[in-house]
Amino acid sequence: EVQLVESGGGLVQPGGSLRLSCAASGFTFSSYWMHWVRQAPGKGLVWVSRIDSVGKSTSYADSVKGRFTISRENAKNTLFLQMNSLRAEDTAVYYCARYLWKEVAFDIWGQGTMVTVSS
Amino acid sequence: QSALTQPASVSGSPGQSITISCTGTSSDVGSYNLVSWYQQHPGKAPKLMIYEGSKRPSGVSNRFSGSKSGNTASLTISGLQAEDEADYYCSSYVGSNTWVFGGGTKLTVL
Repeated sequence: EVQLVESGGGLVQPGGSLRLSCAASGFTFSSYWMHWVRQAPGKGLVWVSRIDSVGKSTSYADSVKGRFTISRENAKNTLFLQMNSLRAEDTAVYYCARYLWKEVAFDIWGQGTMVTVSS
Repeated sequence: QSALTQPASVSGSPGQSITISCTGTSSDVGSYNLVSWYQQHPGKAPKLMIYEGSKRPSGVSNRFSGSKSGNTASLTISGLQAEDEADYYCSSYVGSNTWVFGGGTKLTVL
């Protein structure tokens, strides 16, 4: 079964750091671009970051640029999101999503992990 | 990286058809026939319903269809069913390796 499972969310104080993980299974992880998308409580989906299949090219939304770092470890079929200098507005469910480059679509999503930034 | 514009809500009765619009600009929706649509039920992960503007992934009902005219993409759901009640989001590549989602539309089946 093709599956993505996020972990690492939790409660963190403003200015703190958190590292999210996304474990992939059921497909050749190293062949796909991967993304992080977040959703604040009661709000819509917001694109956060993208990484290519080999981990050499990354891109970020302006709102997280310079604070978040996306990476991957293909040998362990795992995607990461290192989040530093966290703000209250980063509070959201964070989803990892597999990206189909030719179809330009996010075809597989994880169940999400909740990040709460609060003192 | 401004969000694409969707109506906040739409509604329809079972068996009817509804259309959800997704308006961007000539730099995103208008430049690329690459809009995708996602269905999200409460507390669940999004599900891909339409890609490349009008194509359906395997397993998605043919009651769902997509189209585009100028800077506006549309998702049409025909033969509305109670299970279609959910939030719907459009998404587009906007260049420079960045993507954007619409604000989301809540579909109510009356």
